[in-house]
Amino acid sequence: EDKVVQSPLSLVVHEGDTVTLNCSYEVTNFRSLLWYKQEKKAPTFLFMLTSSGIEKKSGRLSSILDKKELFSILNITATQTGDSAIYLCAVEVNAGGTSYGKLTFGQGTILTVHP
Amino acid sequence: ETGVTQTPRHLVMGMTNKKSLKCEQHLGHNAMYWYKQSAKKPLELMFVYNFKEQTENNSVPSRFSPECPNSSHLFLHLHTLQPEDSALYLCASSHWGSGATYEQYFGPGTRLTVT
Repeated sequence: EDKVVQSPLSLVVHEGDTVTLNCSYEVTNFRSLLWYKQEKKAPTFLFMLTSSGIEKKSGRLSSILDKKELFSILNITATQTGDSAIYLCAVEVNAGGTSYGKLTFGQGTILTVHP
Repeated sequence: ETGVTQTPRHLVMGMTNKKSLKCEQHLGHNAMYWYKQSAKKPLELMFVYNFKEQTENNSVPSRFSPECPNSSHLFLHLHTLQPEDSALYLCASSHWGSGATYEQYFGPGTRLTVT
């Protein structure tokens, strides 16, 4: 059974801190790993990673994938209160010969940033 | 309207009621998905439609019945639900292409409470 595990489950920091969120996975037929941010309802897409060692960056957020060790990290530097959210990691697998994106999600990391 | 929209945003129903959830995507995608998000559990994939054809039913009970009349609209018909079906139901859409991988975009969800 495919499995995605995120750590920590929750994290409380102060504005300006740097945080690292972890995602490890055990899946068959890996295609990609995705990070989402969920604030109130809709998860919003952050990054898609398919190749090891290539950092994806967007402003203060960055992410990297290690396909040998089967994990990814999401870094947020100079955190702001607006970064408070649940961060979801999902792994896309090939499913039964079809080519759609079957996503298996981790349980999420709840990040709280205090002023 | 832009992105992925869902109606209603909140729904309270009794166990003998019949109701439907609606999802519409304005992104020109050809794949649509239903997910269930329960408290303390990871997002769970329920159904996948590709070009209006159902390609995945992730062992979902028959009291949940999906319908996809075209590639922009997706419904989830509900009948004789159980209290444990109370959850946030999220719709998502993406492009679909053989061998390619595309991120999924989520709607705001319907918060369902079964009494």
